[in-house]
Amino acid sequence: AQTVTQSQPEMSVQEAETVTLSCTYDTSESDYYLFWYKQPPSRQMILVIRQEAYKQQNATENRFSVNFQKAAKSFSLKISDSQLGDAAMYFCAYRRATSYDKVIFGPGTSLSVIP
Amino acid sequence: KAGVTQTPRYLIKTRGQQVTLSCSPISGHRSVSWYQQTPGQGLQFLFEYFSETQRNKGNFPGRFSGRQFSNSRSEMNVSTLELGDSALYLCASSVSPGLQGWEQFFGPGTRLTVL
Repeated sequence: AQTVTQSQPEMSVQEAETVTLSCTYDTSESDYYLFWYKQPPSRQMILVIRQEAYKQQNATENRFSVNFQKAAKSFSLKISDSQLGDAAMYFCAYRRATSYDKVIFGPGTSLSVIP
Repeated sequence: KAGVTQTPRYLIKTRGQQVTLSCSPISGHRSVSWYQQTPGQGLQFLFEYFSETQRNKGNFPGRFSGRQFSNSRSEMNVSTLELGDSALYLCASSVSPGLQGWEQFFGPGTRLTVL
């Protein structure tokens, strides 16, 4: 069975600094998608970034980038120039690239941003 | 474009009662998924609907059920409520399985408290 692990329950970062959130997953599939979702306090969960397993190039979205290591089954999120609005729960998620399969979420990392 | 809406936002019930939660997806989205979020278990997949048919189901007892209407709106029902059903129930919509990189758009959730 596929699993997603986030080993850092809580992290903090100084404003304007860089922080990396870790995620590892277990799967025997070769074609899948990985996601990082952000859930701010009392606000809706939104997609931060997405990586397709067959693409070797790491995805980037403005200040957010990932380090995707397929062989190591690692998918870390780097947030550059951290802002107060980045404070949130961050969930790493996995799904097979096949119809009607469930998304598996990691337990989440709570990120605090220190002014 | 309006986002995913969920009603009600907050609900208090007593053990043994039943509850119905509603989700209206983004216009044009035909796939709706439901998740249960608790501090102890994290985000767990309940079920996914597409074209009024349940396409996938998580590991929840039969007390949890759902349906989708022709306009893609979805409802989930929990019968014979237990204390452990207290959770944030999230609905997520997507255009269609496999399209747009499997991105899901989440609603604000319904906070269910069972007394």
